[in-house]
Amino acid sequence: QVQLVESGGGVVQPGRSLRLSCAASGFTFGSAGMHWVRQAPGKGLEWVAAIWDDGSSKYYSDSVKGRFTISRDNSKNTLCLQMNSLIVEDTAVYYCARWGPFGDIDYWGQGALVTVSS
Amino acid sequence: DIVMTQTPLSSPVTVGQPASISCRSSQSPVHSDGNTYLSWLQQRPGQPPRLLIHKISNRFSGVPDRFSGSGAGTDFTLKISRVEAEDVGIYYCMQGAQLPYTFGQGTKLEIK
Repeated sequence: QVQLVESGGGVVQPGRSLRLSCAASGFTFGSAGMHWVRQAPGKGLEWVAAIWDDGSSKYYSDSVKGRFTISRDNSKNTLCLQMNSLIVEDTAVYYCARWGPFGDIDYWGQGALVTVSS
Repeated sequence: DIVMTQTPLSSPVTVGQPASISCRSSQSPVHSDGNTYLSWLQQRPGQPPRLLIHKISNRFSGVPDRFSGSGAGTDFTLKISRVEAEDVGIYYCMQGAQLPYTFGQGTKLEIK
């Protein structure tokens, strides 16, 4: 079965960096595009970034463009999100999600909480 | 960006009764491949989102048949034929036709 497990969350001061990872299993990782979606405490869902199956194309929301970088290592079945210059508004649970064969986001991880606070 | 607007934002329902949630998009979520990428997600308390319906009306694997989706153009609906206690949570519509993907504000389904 498809499994997505995020790690790397924690508490960080504004202006600092944090790197999230997502370990994928149960499917051919190198054949699937991937997304990061976040959810601020008590709020709705916000799409953050996406990457094609081979890593050749990457997309970002305006709110994180220039600060966050999405990447993947298909040899290790791992998706990453490098978050730099963090601000308080980046506080959220970050979900790793699969771009499924139907063209939709189909599977979601359990999420990693990132808290940006001084 | 495509703006997704859901109504109602809260829906108290009696177990065994039907429920309906509407979603309107600011433009049709039709992709260049001809498909309409309108999905419905369920988020139970303390859980990640879970895909229920994709491409307007297709139930995802393992989703009970009491859930159904319909619509066209810019107006879409999620229906639960008979609400069960386990259906409590927040429901989101999402468009996946163009980046950035966008979500509705969420509709909180609660039991009366």
